[in-house]
Amino acid sequence: DQQVKQNSPSLSVQEGRISILNCDYTNSMFDYFLWYKKYPAEGPTFLISISSIKDKNEDGRFTVFLNKSAKHLSLHIVPSQPGDSAVYFCAASTTTSGTYKYIFGTGTRLKVLA
Amino acid sequence: DAGITQSPRHKVTETGTPVTLRCHQTENHRYMYWYRQDPGHGLRLIHYSYGVKDTDKGEVSDGYSVSRSKTEDFLLTLESATSSQTSVYFCATQGFNYGYTFGSGTRLTVV
Repeated sequence: DQQVKQNSPSLSVQEGRISILNCDYTNSMFDYFLWYKKYPAEGPTFLISISSIKDKNEDGRFTVFLNKSAKHLSLHIVPSQPGDSAVYFCAASTTTSGTYKYIFGTGTRLKVLA
Repeated sequence: DAGITQSPRHKVTETGTPVTLRCHQTENHRYMYWYRQDPGHGLRLIHYSYGVKDTDKGEVSDGYSVSRSKTEDFLLTLESATSSQTSVYFCATQGFNYGYTFGSGTRLTVV
């Protein structure tokens, strides 16, 4: 009963092209979503977030899109760079209380080929 | 992130022994979390704390206990380690935005 799913365990993209990472969720009460990037032997680092009141949020090369009706979000990286090679986790939470207990997906390993 | 340190970074322990992992933060955040990361499961919440001496269970809390006697320290204890608890453990704090800041992790191997 995985509430947050990342169905692609891995993705390879050429440098300079677009990387699209996908995430699906089942709980309609989720109203805040995050993407994290993780390098080996390091903790995950925050990348970008989106609230359910928006359908798009942009930060430099990174854009997150939210489709609430489909319960789907995606992360676009344009242009992709070799340093973007990492594992990407999406996470979702409700914001009805002060504590945000994020549910994480299983991650997608992105490899950007030079 | 320099604001969160986890210790130890690596540990090997024997089945049946108790183990305590430490998370220390310098940012005075109220909320702290322990997650474990396993292949095929992503990150799963073990326990969390919403203040000194205020803690609650996450989705995979069996076999674990926590304590928070000071704002800056959140301890995770494996009461009697089992091989299924071999994992990478991450501590996180919740800042003033809605996201987490994670520590660098503790790799625990139970043999």
